[in-house]
Amino acid sequence: GEDVEQSLFLSVREGDSSVINCTYTDSSSTYLYWYKQEPGAGLQLLTYIFSNMDMKQDQRLTVLLNKKDKHLSLRIADTQTGDSAIYFCAEEGSSNTGKLIFGQGTTLQVKP
Amino acid sequence: SQTIHQWPATLVQPVGSPLSLECTVEGTSNPNLYWYRQAAGRGLQLLFYSVGIGQISSEVPQNLSASRPQDRQFILSSKKLLLSDSGFYLCAWSVHRGSIVTGELFFGEGSRLTVL
Repeated sequence: GEDVEQSLFLSVREGDSSVINCTYTDSSSTYLYWYKQEPGAGLQLLTYIFSNMDMKQDQRLTVLLNKKDKHLSLRIADTQTGDSAIYFCAEEGSSNTGKLIFGQGTTLQVKP
Repeated sequence: SQTIHQWPATLVQPVGSPLSLECTVEGTSNPNLYWYRQAAGRGLQLLFYSVGIGQISSEVPQNLSASRPQDRQFILSSKKLLLSDSGFYLCAWSVHRGSIVTGELFFGEGSRLTVL
């Protein structure tokens, strides 16, 4: 069945780059997504990538997609303390429904 | 601009009591609406989604139900809460691009339910 896996925790120092990894199982997903959740709040869409792309860059964020290995990563350059949050990777559960399968979330801790 | 509101933000309820969480969306029409639950230390699980008034799909068997009495109102309910219903409940709506429903979801601020 469909499954999305992420490591649970990542700690980096302010100014370093952070790389959050994700593996997924459904190769038919048209888009893959990254969401951010700050403490006690809902999720915000950070970025997404079309499945026929290898890379997408948006300011400090870089998404890399290895479709062969079903591996997705989110790189945050120059990580700031305000980037501390939980980051969720998600794939489409079925097309054209908006239904997403989320990973467990990676807690990013940024140390000053 | 589009906004989404959920209430109450926090709820403590005894086992066996009823539940009603409400979600309303403004600034969009005929949205797809979703209820997700986030249990402690776990990812989000899709509970229900709705493509229109009175149209509800349940994703997992459970003690909860959902209703959509109006286009931009989505309600999560239970007649008798269980301890396992505790969690953080999130309502969301999705962006349409023409006839395509995307996975670009806008989430509410969440409702934290503790069942004692």
